[in-house]
Amino acid sequence: DSGVTQTPKHLITATGQRVTLRCSPRSGDLSVYWYQQSLDQGLQFLIQYYNGEERAKGNILERFSAQQFPDLHSELNLSSLELGDSALYFCASSGRTVNSPLHFGNGTRLTVT
Amino acid sequence: GQNIDQPTEMTATEGAIVQINCTYQTSGFNGLFWYQQHAGEAPTFLSYNVLDGLEEKGRFSSFLSRSKGYSYLLLKELQMKDSASYLCAVRGSRGNEKLTFGTGTRLTIIP
Repeated sequence: DSGVTQTPKHLITATGQRVTLRCSPRSGDLSVYWYQQSLDQGLQFLIQYYNGEERAKGNILERFSAQQFPDLHSELNLSSLELGDSALYFCASSGRTVNSPLHFGNGTRLTVT
Repeated sequence: GQNIDQPTEMTATEGAIVQINCTYQTSGFNGLFWYQQHAGEAPTFLSYNVLDGLEEKGRFSSFLSRSKGYSYLLLKELQMKDSASYLCAVRGSRGNEKLTFGTGTRLTIIP
């Protein structure tokens, strides 16, 4: 158990809809990262938050947005969903030192029909 | 930017040793990480290298050469449960702590 909690585990929705994915980081971790993993593809970095502030942005679509709340949990909002958005979405958290690895949650499997 | 290359697939025999290579090109470097990922599951952390040399952790070892932009993960005494994808990831310079992942090497262990 990594200590990172993601909900829901599975999400099935229709094209055009909007969903929210939730993540609680490990106790004490201030950084939260969101990654997307499509079938048979690598982990694509979406966005990072550190203590409530956006820290880095990757290839995140304009239809996607995220935030980190004062209690450090984070939400990833996906809107106007398309079939190609079907993927595993992982949240990860890390400690403050440069050698701190990312610890991943179990992911949310999103299926857009 | 960062570019990371790994072989797509490898096969090895139970009880044997396998080496998975990773080459990278990066504009900033603050360490290289190896992760294991079973299909449909979360990646789990295996090892971290920031200085040149070998880091050993049980059956797994990882090597780094910063001048060559090269790393490898060595798995010994292979077990069937080691069948998984192995992901190489590079951390950027300070202020850019995200990990950039390679596409992973799918390792299949055969009896």
